[in-house]
Amino acid sequence: DAGITQSPRHKVTETGTPVTLRCHQTENHRYMYWYRQDPGHGLRLIHYSYGVKDTDKGEVSDGYSVSRSKTEDFLLTLESATSSQTSVYFCAISESSNSNQPQHFGDGTRLSIL
Amino acid sequence: AQKVTQAQTEISVVEKEDVTLDCVYETRDTTYYLFWYKQPPSGELVFLIRRNSFDEQNEISGRYSWNFQKSTSSFNFTITASQVVDSAVYFCALSERWNNNDMRFGAGTRLTVKP
Repeated sequence: DAGITQSPRHKVTETGTPVTLRCHQTENHRYMYWYRQDPGHGLRLIHYSYGVKDTDKGEVSDGYSVSRSKTEDFLLTLESATSSQTSVYFCAISESSNSNQPQHFGDGTRLSIL
Repeated sequence: AQKVTQAQTEISVVEKEDVTLDCVYETRDTTYYLFWYKQPPSGELVFLIRRNSFDEQNEISGRYSWNFQKSTSSFNFTITASQVVDSAVYFCALSERWNNNDMRFGAGTRLTVKP
């Protein structure tokens, strides 16, 4: 299994509060991704990183920000959480951006915004 | 942008039956990669297979087989002699050329295998 750890694994919080999810990898992979999984939508890309301090937006980036100060850590922040951001969040890593490289996923974080 | 459609939302079979999960994709690129992932009830996502657009050979891995047909833009997944442990949500995904940063997933098919 790829060395990917997501924390926390579960979180319940209230609307309007800030939330930060952490993804930690031990594979020294350059590329890291944050997805959200919702029924009927599969997985959708929120943001990704192609190196330390290098990030870009994905398909559903509104309301989210990310940071990557070290190769091994990729943080996802909800500045002011809304109920529509209740979801399961997955971090993924990839060795390169070549399309033939599969992404490997963490175990997910279940986030509930009340 | 590329698109992946998994029209089967849920499938239920009895153990030992064969089952095929459908995946239809759309892309304007001539070079692309298709993937299948499995998400068991425990929730993690497990990579199963990758196929590139230039290789239309079918692939078999134990009870699993994949049928890639460019003519119909399909990449279907068949489980032979299904087992209860095959119960999971299965996702098909597509990446175009040098853009693994924009992998698109289908909505997933939930497979339930009953004993």
